[in-house]
Amino acid sequence: DGGITQSPKYLFRKEGQNVTLSCEQNLNHDAMYWYRQDPGQGLRLIYYSQIVNDFQKGDIAEGYSVSREKKESFPLTVTSAQKNPTAFYLCASTFFSGNTIYFGEGSWLTVV
Amino acid sequence: GQQVMQIPQYQHVQEGEDFTTYCNSSTTLSNIQWYKQRPGGHPVFLIQLVKSGEVKKQKRLTFQFEEAKKNSSLHITATQTTDVGTYFCAGPGETSGSRLTFGEGTQLTVNP
Repeated sequence: DGGITQSPKYLFRKEGQNVTLSCEQNLNHDAMYWYRQDPGQGLRLIYYSQIVNDFQKGDIAEGYSVSREKKESFPLTVTSAQKNPTAFYLCASTFFSGNTIYFGEGSWLTVV
Repeated sequence: GQQVMQIPQYQHVQEGEDFTTYCNSSTTLSNIQWYKQRPGGHPVFLIQLVKSGEVKKQKRLTFQFEEAKKNSSLHITATQTTDVGTYFCAGPGETSGSRLTFGEGTQLTVNP
C-alpha cells in the first residue's frame, strides 16, 4: 500500500525526556511536513523539508528538531525544551508547489 | 505574513439543514484546497480550486473560489451525520509554494 506511516500512534513521555516520532512515505513525494494540532484547534506548521538534507522552520519550531537524510523519511524529535508538548502530531507529504498534501494518521503525544 | 482565516469556528446544525464555511486570505492565492478531518482522524484532501470564479461540486458539496482569488467557500446541502468533522481551507505560502497555510477550520456537528 502506498501512503504515509507514522509511529507510534500513542506515546507517553516523562517531563525532561526527548522523544522521536517516525514518519515514512512511499509516495515518492519531494516535500514533507510536520504539523501540530491541539484539541479543537487548527494545524500549526513545525518544520518542513522540500529536499533531502534540507529543511526549514515553520511557525512553531522551538523545542523541536528534524532531519531529512532520506527522501522517504522525516523524523521529528520533541525535545525537553518544548514546554507544552502534549498534542496530536501530523506528518504530511506532497510533490512540489502547492499540490495536494497527504497526511499520515497522526501520533498522539502525552507528557506524564 | 500571509493569513488564512475561516468562519465560523463552530457550526451546529440539524440534519437536513445546509451549512457554509468561508475562507478568507490576506493575499491572492494561486489555488485553494479544502480538507476534511473526521473526529479523531487526520485531514483528508477534498478538492483544489485554481481558476478565478471557479465552482466545483462533489455530490452535496459545492466549492467556490471567488474572482479576486482571496476568498473561498464550502457549502453543504442537506447535511447528514456523515458530514460531521472539521473543514479546513489551505493556500500556498507567499514565499514557498510547497508550504501550505491552513485556516483554523470550521468544526461542524450535525444533530440527527
